[in-house]
Amino acid sequence: SAVISQKPSRDICQRGTSLTIQCQVDSQVTMMFWYRQQPGQSLTLIATANQGSEATYESGFVIDKFPISRPNLTFSTLTVSNMSPEDSSIYLCSVRRAGKSTDTQYFGPGTRLTVL
Amino acid sequence: AQSVTQLGSHVSVSEGALVLLRCNYSSSVPPYLFWYVQYPNQGLQLLLKYTTGATLVKGINGFEAEFKKSETSFHLTKPSAHMSDAAEYFCAVMVTHQAGTALIFGKGTTLSVSS
Repeated sequence: SAVISQKPSRDICQRGTSLTIQCQVDSQVTMMFWYRQQPGQSLTLIATANQGSEATYESGFVIDKFPISRPNLTFSTLTVSNMSPEDSSIYLCSVRRAGKSTDTQYFGPGTRLTVL
Repeated sequence: AQSVTQLGSHVSVSEGALVLLRCNYSSSVPPYLFWYVQYPNQGLQLLLKYTTGATLVKGINGFEAEFKKSETSFHLTKPSAHMSDAAEYFCAVMVTHQAGTALIFGKGTTLSVSS
């Protein structure tokens, strides 16, 4: 398994500002992911962040709005830029542990963001 | 493209009754399938997964799921519901894309358990 922590756990922000969310894993992982869960909705993949390369964004998400850093194998940040109320969501960090017949993704507790 | 469909956004059962949450997948390759549970105001917890091998998979908290290729299904069941099972349940499939692999989720099913 993997123990994942996120900071902050929640925040209330004003529109037009930016928030950086941190994700820390208890051991080295190659693949980290960022998901968004809008109120009452399922999870949507924002981007995949592999150490040593630029993040790969899914359709509908762009680097200018959601810049991601991946400085090492245990840490990543997601920034939500120029926020609007539509960005109010839970943002979840996830990591993949791959092995023979054991490919699994684990999730952090999430960051609950409210934009006023 | 690979995807999952969860039938029924809300399922209600009585305590002690059978729980059945439905998930169908679409995949051109053998899929890796997962069920996650999300309790209120918490993150996602892995219930069980199917990768290869035995098609009946047992998970935590008494849940199990059966991979049926002929029906493209991976339904989640529990013989006897408990009040603590009330939560949101997500079915997911692992897909391959340009950055590697990642989980794609169904819309989720809210399970309510009444006494």
